Amino acid sequence: SQQGEEDPQALSIQEGENATMNCSYKTSINNLQWYRQNSGRGLVHLILIRSNEREKHSGRLRVTLDTSKKSSSLLITASRAADTASYFCSTQGGSEKLVFGKGTKLTVNP
Amino acid sequence: DAGITQSPRHKVTETGTPVTLRCHQTENHRYMYWYRQDPGHGLRLIHYSYGVKDTDKGEVSDGYSVSRSKTEDFLLTLESATSSQTSVYFCAISEASMGHNQPQHFGDGTRLSIL
Repeated sequence: SQQGEEDPQALSIQEGENATMNCSYKTSINNLQWYRQNSGRGLVHLILIRSNEREKHSGRLRVTLDTSKKSSSLLITASRAADTASYFCSTQGGSEKLVFGKGTKLTVNP
Repeated sequence: DAGITQSPRHKVTETGTPVTLRCHQTENHRYMYWYRQDPGHGLRLIHYSYGVKDTDKGEVSDGYSVSRSKTEDFLLTLESATSSQTSVYFCAISEASMGHNQPQHFGDGTRLSIL
């Protein structure tokens, strides 16, 4: 299976701090995506990084990808209470299907 | 937000009854997906569709069937619901034009309880 596994399972930080979440996977991929899920809502796409890319930025988000280690990290800088959510990585190999990890639950305390 | 509507949003039913969940999109996207989300398991793919009348199985398809008679609608049916199918069900859509680099857009889910 090429399922992504997020680490840590839960993370609690203070507003203004940076939050880093990691994702590891097992097989070769075309791309890796990060999603956010607020409580009671569907997943929202944050960022997609292709297998030939090493780093990508979007606002306060920074994603890195290391295909040699089969891992990715999501950094949220200057976190806000509104960033409180669960974050999922998903990998996509040779088909249209995404395979999701179990998520990291981030709590940002005001 | 992508135009995805799931109905119903909540349902409570009894074991053995048939249940149909509906996903409606207004984006004219080719691909549609049904997932279930359970504590400790994350998001798991049930079935997906790559066009009208074109569907395929996902990771946890047993006990579920799907139909897509129109681009905008994707139905998920539990023929005879069991308590193990109590879950939150999410529909997602994605475009085909980007090939394999496809973000998915999710509905807000249907919370299904089977007693």
